[in-house]
Amino acid sequence: GESVGLHLPTLSVQEGDNSIINCAYSNSASDYFIWYKQESGKGPQFIIDIRSNMDKRQGQRVTVLLNKTVKHLSLQIAATQPGDSAVYFCAENPTGGSYIPTFGRGTSLIVHP
Amino acid sequence: GAGVSQSPRYKVAKRGQDVALRCDPISGHVSLFWYQQALGQGPEFLTYFQNEAQLDKSGLPSDRFFAERPEGSVSTLKIQRTQQEDSAVYLCASSPRQGAKGEKLFFGSGTQLSVL
Repeated sequence: GESVGLHLPTLSVQEGDNSIINCAYSNSASDYFIWYKQESGKGPQFIIDIRSNMDKRQGQRVTVLLNKTVKHLSLQIAATQPGDSAVYFCAENPTGGSYIPTFGRGTSLIVHP
Repeated sequence: GAGVSQSPRYKVAKRGQDVALRCDPISGHVSLFWYQQALGQGPEFLTYFQNEAQLDKSGLPSDRFFAERPEGSVSTLKIQRTQQEDSAVYLCASSPRQGAKGEKLFFGSGTQLSVL
């Protein structure tokens, strides 16, 4: 659930379970969205992206769903593995002007063996 | 090929000191971004370059922050008279194209700055 201060929202799952990480974005004019994974001590790493003319996109073990009506993104990870433990960020790209991705706060995923 | 490289990896500064953080983007990448990431938060935009041109610096928190990319490749983020609130991880990212709407960023591992 949501936390304040230094504590990220956290999702704890068992290895092999499916994980769903949610993100609410702020700008209804955003037309491109990316999920990044950030492991401890590293920079964010691209996982999957989706454009606003789609509502679903699948990758390897990951699926992104986009609901523009309620400005909501979700990242689904199938058969979660310990190596999936990280902080996950969604980023949105507003239309027009220069391309400046804006990041959400992030969700910490903890996978228990 | 090599990814985005940042140096130093860690920097400890006394309050009031000036620091310079370096970013080597992926060769040939046109766009370069600097972000600041506080503990437990998402990256916050600082500034954006397209080649050597600084097109957006709206995220720089004060005039103590300055960034440059004189030859359109390596970039330096300079912070003058560092304050404790400047303590954060500074991330650099690059992307291949010019003015493209919507493409993924390639991030370095960041420089962790601690101001004492």
